[in-house]
Amino acid sequence: DAGVTQSPTHLIKTRGQHVTLRCSPISGHKSVSWYQQVLGQGPQFIFQYYEKEERGRGNFPDRFSARQFPNYSSELNVNALLLGDSALYLCASSLVGDQPQHFGDGTRLSIL
Amino acid sequence: GEDVEQSLFLSVREGDSSVINCTYTDSSSTYLYWYKQEPGAGLQLLTYIFSNMDMKQDQRLTVLLNKKDKHLSLRIADTQTGDSAIYFCAEVRGAGSYQLTFGKGTKLSVIP
Repeated sequence: DAGVTQSPTHLIKTRGQHVTLRCSPISGHKSVSWYQQVLGQGPQFIFQYYEKEERGRGNFPDRFSARQFPNYSSELNVNALLLGDSALYLCASSLVGDQPQHFGDGTRLSIL
Repeated sequence: GEDVEQSLFLSVREGDSSVINCTYTDSSSTYLYWYKQEPGAGLQLLTYIFSNMDMKQDQRLTVLLNKKDKHLSLRIADTQTGDSAIYFCAEVRGAGSYQLTFGKGTKLSVIP
């Protein structure tokens, strides 16, 4: 069975641009969460979606937004990119919100 | 807020047992997790324990939970070179919250 898939795997952008990252959850999972992992740190929670509704938001600026589609896939959007947005962006899915979360391999975003 | 604390490094010889420790913050956490991250990869869910348990064993992995001290440990028996990775402890923080809060990770190095 396919795990959580994320695209693209790598991305290079310049300051001020915007980016869209995509995530497909494990089949049957209805909840998707996004995390940011800066080098040398543990992942930081950005958003959780369940049944297309936002169920949680971490301490990130409004430049970060996300949505979940009827097929439970999700997009993370980041506007006005800053150098500090360079990180590994991880998507995780779970059956429902409070069940164990399974992670994809992430999208590595580099801002020049 | 308070951090999930882990020691940053652990070095063991192949065949020995490894014990990775974690101190978490929220006494109402329902689940506590251990994830493994290999270089360039996402997070792999290793095991988890429900807060009403004090021990869980899964093949070479043993998780111990001390709720009074908010202390979680992961023991890996017969450690192999393939176990070399970063191990993250994570808690679900806050009642009704499904967001994971991670420690900074413990880098386990296995010496052949």
